[in-house]
Amino acid sequence: AQSVSQHNHHVILSEAASLELGCNYSYGGTVNLFWYVQYPGQHLQLLLKYFSGDPLVKGIKGFEAEFIKSKFSFNLRKPSVQWSDTAEYFCAVNNNAGNMLTFGGGTRLMVKP
Amino acid sequence: DGGITQSPKYLFRKEGQNVTLSCEQNLNHDAMYWYRQDPGQGLRLIYYSQIVNDFQKGDIAEGYSVSREKKESFPLTVTSAQKNPTAFYLCASSMTGEFNQPQHFGDGTRLSIL
Repeated sequence: AQSVSQHNHHVILSEAASLELGCNYSYGGTVNLFWYVQYPGQHLQLLLKYFSGDPLVKGIKGFEAEFIKSKFSFNLRKPSVQWSDTAEYFCAVNNNAGNMLTFGGGTRLMVKP
Repeated sequence: DGGITQSPKYLFRKEGQNVTLSCEQNLNHDAMYWYRQDPGQGLRLIYYSQIVNDFQKGDIAEGYSVSREKKESFPLTVTSAQKNPTAFYLCASSMTGEFNQPQHFGDGTRLSIL
């Protein structure tokens, strides 16, 4: 069975700091990769996704993620975080066999103003 | 506005009782999903349905049941057989059950045992 690991459970940054959240998955075949975000009091929403093509994916609000197949990784990055980026971030993977997503444990990001 | 509505937002259950969580969508999506979210464990799939009158077990289906009699509705029943039901439950939908369709989520229901 596939699994998804997010090694950082809690991250605290100051505004304007750079962000990188790790995501590693275990499945060896073709995968589709997602990052979802849950802002305080809001529902989970899609931040960005990778299916094929350019491994550097741009998402909303200045976020990007890079798919490195050899490392089984899909890390999320943002050059300069804002207080409004405070949220919980989830990495998710599916293996092209249907739309069953496997989620990582989530990373809580707190950005200090 | 189109979206997914989960109710109630908070639910309390006594030991030995079954409870049903509601999930309604007006997005005209074919596929619907139920996840359970526990701290530090991300979301785990309970059941999913790719089309009306059909559903499949996810990774942690034991102690739960679902029905899909209407396209818009996918209620989840937490039965007394579920030994640790206290959790946050999220319903989601996607246009189809194909892998390239992003999932849209509801606001969730928090279930607690009294």
